[in-house]
Amino acid sequence: GAVVSQHPSRVICKSGTSVKIECRSLDFQATTMFWYRQFPKQSLMLMATSNEGSKATYEQGVEKDKFLINHASLTLSTLTVTSAHPEDSSFYICSARDQSQGSYGYTFGSGTRLTVV
Amino acid sequence: DAKTTQPPSMDCAEGRAANLPCNHSTISGNEYVYWYRQIHSQGPQYIIHGLKNNETNEMASLIITEDRKSSTLILPHATLRDTAVYYCNPGSGNTGKLIFGQGTTLQVKP
Repeated sequence: GAVVSQHPSRVICKSGTSVKIECRSLDFQATTMFWYRQFPKQSLMLMATSNEGSKATYEQGVEKDKFLINHASLTLSTLTVTSAHPEDSSFYICSARDQSQGSYGYTFGSGTRLTVV
Repeated sequence: DAKTTQPPSMDCAEGRAANLPCNHSTISGNEYVYWYRQIHSQGPQYIIHGLKNNETNEMASLIITEDRKSSTLILPHATLRDTAVYYCNPGSGNTGKLIFGQGTTLQVKP
C-alpha cells in the first residue's frame, strides 16, 4: 500500500531557530500533500495544502511567512517552522493521496513532535 | 465543508462488536465518507470509506444510511489494540482536503 515517510519523528530546537520537516511519498507520486498540526488532546487542524510546483494554500489564521511550505517534486514536501517559539510546540503531520488508487483514502505520515525550548 | 458529529467517547468490551456512529447531515452528493483512527502519538490510519453502499474490508464494516446523513463504523471483534480515536470525514474522491472533527475515543476494555 501507499507509504508516506515523515522525518524527523521528533525534534527539540531553541527558541528563534528554524526547523524543517520532510514528508515523502515513498511508492507513489503526490501532486498534493497536506500539513496538519495537533495539540495535546485535540483533533488535527489543517494548516495548508501543498501543491507540487506552485505555492501552498494556507488555511485561515495560519501564517504563511512562519510556516514555509515547499513542494518541489512529486514525492517531497517540506514544512519549515521559522523563528520557532514555545507556542509552536506541537505534533505536525503530513498526508498525501495516491491518485492512481481512485477514491482510496489518504495516507498519513507518522508525525513530527516539535518541542521549542 | 461538511460538518460531522460523533460521540466524544465510547467503551467496548474486548471481543464484542464496537459500533461507532457519525452524523454528517450536510454531506454533499459527491462526497465519500472516510473513517480513520489515530492511536496515541501516531499519524491517522485509514480504515474504510464508502459513498452510498455498505462496505466491508479486513478491518471493519461501514453502514451508510439511505439518505447518507449518517453512518456507523463497525469493528466486529474489538481488541485492546483497537483503542484509539476514530474520525469520520466526508471528503471528495479526488484531492479535496480532509477536515477532522473531534472524533470518538474508543476504549476497549478487557
